[in-house]
Amino acid sequence: GQNIDQPTEMTATEGAIVQINCTYQTSGFNGLFWYQQHAGEAPTFLSYNVLDGLEEKGRFSSFLSRSKGYSYLLLKELQMKDSASYLCAGVDSNYQLIWGAGTKLIIKP
Amino acid sequence: GAVVSQHPSWVICKSGTSVKIECRSLDFQATTMFWYRQFPKQSLMLMATSNEGSKATYEQGVEKDKFLINHASLTLSTLTVTSAHPEDSSFYICSARESPEVGEQYFGPGTRLTVT
Repeated sequence: GQNIDQPTEMTATEGAIVQINCTYQTSGFNGLFWYQQHAGEAPTFLSYNVLDGLEEKGRFSSFLSRSKGYSYLLLKELQMKDSASYLCAGVDSNYQLIWGAGTKLIIKP
Repeated sequence: GAVVSQHPSWVICKSGTSVKIECRSLDFQATTMFWYRQFPKQSLMLMATSNEGSKATYEQGVEKDKFLINHASLTLSTLTVTSAHPEDSSFYICSARESPEVGEQYFGPGTRLTVT
């Protein structure tokens, strides 16, 4: 079956760095998305990886290892506004998104 | 960037009535639109995928006669919740994609439905 695993909740301190991991099992693979979702709002796009390696975009970076079925989202210089759920979604061979349950990130001052 | 709008942003209706939610891609043509439902503190649940001009593909467990989806144009899809019940109260989110294959899904702001 298809499955996306990510931690349910993480806590970090303002100004610090946090890494949110995601492992995936999909029928075929056409890339992996990370989305941010604040409570009561729709998800917003953060990153898309289809090749192995690290992609950096400002304070956020995303890493993919296709051989390991693994990705992570790295958030640097954490700000209070980064408190949100972070959703990992794999794209299968039919170009369907398989969503993880999301990781709720709590930032403490 | 690509913008997707949803209307209404929130709606309260009485049990047994029907509610229509609109999803529009404002600055691009969406070959594919998706409808999701999200209950509090839970992840997104895909309800159906619709391609312009064809019937929607519903996920297992989603009643197609209860959740009517119409994707009549490349910029508009509608979801009608028929004979709504309190258990249909949820956050409904649409997303749109330009390509039928891989590509970013642009999400609408969501519609919060409360059925009393």
